[in-house]
Amino acid sequence: DAKTTQPPSMDCAEGRAANLPCNHSTISGNEYVYWYRQIHSQGPQYIIHGLKNNETNEMASLIITEDRKSSTLILPHATLRDTAVYYCIVRVERGTSYDKVIFGPGTSLSVIP
Amino acid sequence: KAGVTQTPRYLIKTRGQQVTLSCSPISGHRSVSWYQQTPGQGLQFLFEYFSETQRNKGNFPGRFSGRQFSNSRSEMNVSTLELGDSALYLCASSLDFTYNEQFFGPGTRLTVL
Repeated sequence: DAKTTQPPSMDCAEGRAANLPCNHSTISGNEYVYWYRQIHSQGPQYIIHGLKNNETNEMASLIITEDRKSSTLILPHATLRDTAVYYCIVRVERGTSYDKVIFGPGTSLSVIP
Repeated sequence: KAGVTQTPRYLIKTRGQQVTLSCSPISGHRSVSWYQQTPGQGLQFLFEYFSETQRNKGNFPGRFSGRQFSNSRSEMNVSTLELGDSALYLCASSLDFTYNEQFFGPGTRLTVL
């Protein structure tokens, strides 16, 4: 079973920040939070990941609560091309032999003009 | 640089048949992972190959198998197809099994009648 819960859908106005929440209350100490997105008819795309510190890259920011039981993916200035299904998953770091990633249903983000 | 390519893009088979799907990773990438995506179960990990060796395997029956060639290209095989095997099969490549950023292909849509 997926170890994360996300809202099934969200809307965001174009140009505004999109804040996508994720709950992972049973996360283990050696598990990371990863975010991917899947645009219709394409394969998933890696966005960002983190362990306990906040992370930022050219695509997004990841805010992880101090107790690590939840996180938020922030797209600072959403565009229409950000309309996609966003998956939050927890997994041990890549390279570990017992890394058996499971994706949940994700959040369908619609960016509205 | 060309992305991950998967062939064929669409396939229709009947129950009891077997099928082979192909994945060519990004040039220089040596790790290839396979995933199954269905509306009911979401995206599930099948297996991962690196340097022609299976490093990790998800919770799928033995009818699902794979291999990787010396040029890093990978194939997956499903024998004795069942209706429930109808899905989008995605392949992802990365430089090696420790790299977090995986690049997904467009997938092969398999329909079992």
